[in-house]
Amino acid sequence: DSGVTQTPKHLITATGQRVTLRCSPRSGDLSVYWYQQSLDQGLQFLIQYYNGEERAKGNILERFSAQQFPDLHSELNLSSLELGDSALYFCASSVSQGAEQFFGPGTRLTVL
Amino acid sequence: LAKTTQPISMDSYEGQEVNITCSHNNIATNDYITWYQQFPSQGPRFIIQGYKTKVTNEVASLFIPADRKSSTLSLPRVSLSDTAVYYCLVGEGNQGGKLIFGQGTELSVKP
Repeated sequence: DSGVTQTPKHLITATGQRVTLRCSPRSGDLSVYWYQQSLDQGLQFLIQYYNGEERAKGNILERFSAQQFPDLHSELNLSSLELGDSALYFCASSVSQGAEQFFGPGTRLTVL
Repeated sequence: LAKTTQPISMDSYEGQEVNITCSHNNIATNDYITWYQQFPSQGPRFIIQGYKTKVTNEVASLFIPADRKSSTLSLPRVSLSDTAVYYCLVGEGNQGGKLIFGQGTELSVKP
């Protein structure tokens, strides 16, 4: 158990819908990262937050957004969902930038 | 932006040493190199991290040449439980920045 929790574990929805994925980092970790993992694209870095502020952006679509709240939990919002958004979404946390990342168990999103 | 390349798959036998190399020709000055292990349906798990030369911990060693354009993860005496996908990750100096994962190397350890 990495200490990072993600909810929900599974999510099935339809094209055009909007969903919110939630992540609670390990106690004491200030940095949160979001990744997307699909069979054809591998592990793709989406976005990073540090103590509530956005620090780095990867291949995150404009339809996706994220935020980190004062209690350090983070949410990833995916809107106007397409079939191609079906993937595993991982959240990771670290105590500081550049430090070892601890990954959560992931949320499996299926868009029908 | 650093692009990372790894072999897609490797086979080994129990008790052997396994070396997995990752190429990252465009690595930036501030970028660290980190290796993760992933089992099916689980999140990746940290193995080792380095910036240059050699780093060793209780499970692996990481060799980084002076030009830093590649890195080699060395797993001593692998066991069946080391069968997994191994990813190299380049990025994030302490200033933050994009993180680039390799496509992963599927290691199969046979008895």
